[in-house]
Amino acid sequence: EAGVVQSPRYKIIEKKQPVAFWCNPISGHNTLYWYRQNLGQGPELLIRYENEEAVDDSQLPKDRFSAERLKGVDSTLKIQPAELGDSAVYLCASSLALDSSYEQYFGPGTRLTVT
Amino acid sequence: AQKITQTQPGMFVQEKEAVTLDCTYDTSDPSYGLFWYKQPSSGEMIFLIYQGSYDQQNATEGRYSLNFQKARKSANLVISASQLGDSAMYFCAMREGPETSGSRLTFGEGTQLTVNP
Repeated sequence: EAGVVQSPRYKIIEKKQPVAFWCNPISGHNTLYWYRQNLGQGPELLIRYENEEAVDDSQLPKDRFSAERLKGVDSTLKIQPAELGDSAVYLCASSLALDSSYEQYFGPGTRLTVT
Repeated sequence: AQKITQTQPGMFVQEKEAVTLDCTYDTSDPSYGLFWYKQPSSGEMIFLIYQGSYDQQNATEGRYSLNFQKARKSANLVISASQLGDSAMYFCAMREGPETSGSRLTFGEGTQLTVNP
């Protein structure tokens, strides 16, 4: 079974530029999460999708961040414009509604560096 | 208040010995789940073990066991017979709400484990 796929793995951009990250969850997983992990810290949730619907986006900085999950499968997270403080690893995870523990499976992450 | 507290920024253990990584949590929700993830230097988050708040017995998965003390709100990870490949960052995380909800995980700050030969 293929895991969560993310691209790109690494991205370096200048501040004020836009950037986008892509995530393909595990097949059949209806719940998708985007987390941000700052250096030396644990991940923090940005947004959670149940199928196509964003059900928890309270931590998403909506002035510059946007996300979409068309057709309830792939998802894209966008930052426009990027700021120096956005440098972090962006992790995508997915889980299955029928999994009793709601274990979240994580992708390898996208390491963003804003210069 | 921190929802998940990991008080050990770094831990060292000799190969083949057991080690305990501490985790305390804070929630008023009677239904919650506790997770431990391993993050090697390559960056991926690897699920290790899960404990539900209503589970009567401590969870075990191979060399990993979770010492769940509900009254003390602690969920320590015990790794037996440490191996060099266990060197990594370890995160404790909590899901608040029943198991039927895919709610967010709140992570601690992590503990960097180093296994010495």
